[in-house]
Amino acid sequence: NAGVTQTPKFRVLKTGQSMTLLCAQDMNHEYMYWYRQDPGMGLRLIHYSVGEGTTAKGEVPDGYNVSRLKKQNFLLGLESAAPSQTSVYFCASSYFRGQGFGQPQHFGDGTRLSIL
Amino acid sequence: GNSVTQMEGPVTLSEEAFLTINCTYTATGYPSLFWYVQYPGEGLQLLLKATKADDKGSNKGFEATYRKETTSFHLEKGSVQVSDSAVYFCALRPYNNNDMRFGAGTRLTVKP
Repeated sequence: NAGVTQTPKFRVLKTGQSMTLLCAQDMNHEYMYWYRQDPGMGLRLIHYSVGEGTTAKGEVPDGYNVSRLKKQNFLLGLESAAPSQTSVYFCASSYFRGQGFGQPQHFGDGTRLSIL
Repeated sequence: GNSVTQMEGPVTLSEEAFLTINCTYTATGYPSLFWYVQYPGEGLQLLLKATKADDKGSNKGFEATYRKETTSFHLEKGSVQVSDSAVYFCALRPYNNNDMRFGAGTRLTVKP
């Protein structure tokens, strides 16, 4: 009963390094999302995907790229990490709206990322 | 645009006290409304939801009623426990898309 799994759970990077965060869901959800959580700011949407092979920008997309090559996986990439990207990153997934109004998002446990 | 405003924390209560966390929203049409809870070191978990006006969501003793006239979705619990200590997020999902909007979160601490 895994749900949404994020790897890694913690990571420390130096400025300018690159890395990829992996999100995997086993609920056959069409929609997947990447958020960042910063103190006092709630969750802000970085990018999202409405299906395999499609991605779209959210509220704060700059400095990040994403890919959804398989329905169950959603990758978040940082090409050149900056200290401003220090945050906790959450992945979420949900059914698309047509399958039921008010479908909630299901979240992973987060990745804590520090950029020095 | 669509947005959620919830009361600032932190909120500190004694065990068995009554809890209210205020949440108001701005949205066009009829959004779906949610409360999520986040325990330390974990992701957000759905606590309750309501999808139309006057609906009441409830779970684990928590309740919230969708009030269209006041654009509110306040979270309440009659008697809190130490185990309810967490951060609570109000969120909305607009009628016409899947873009969830979250409030800033309210940290609740319940003392024995």
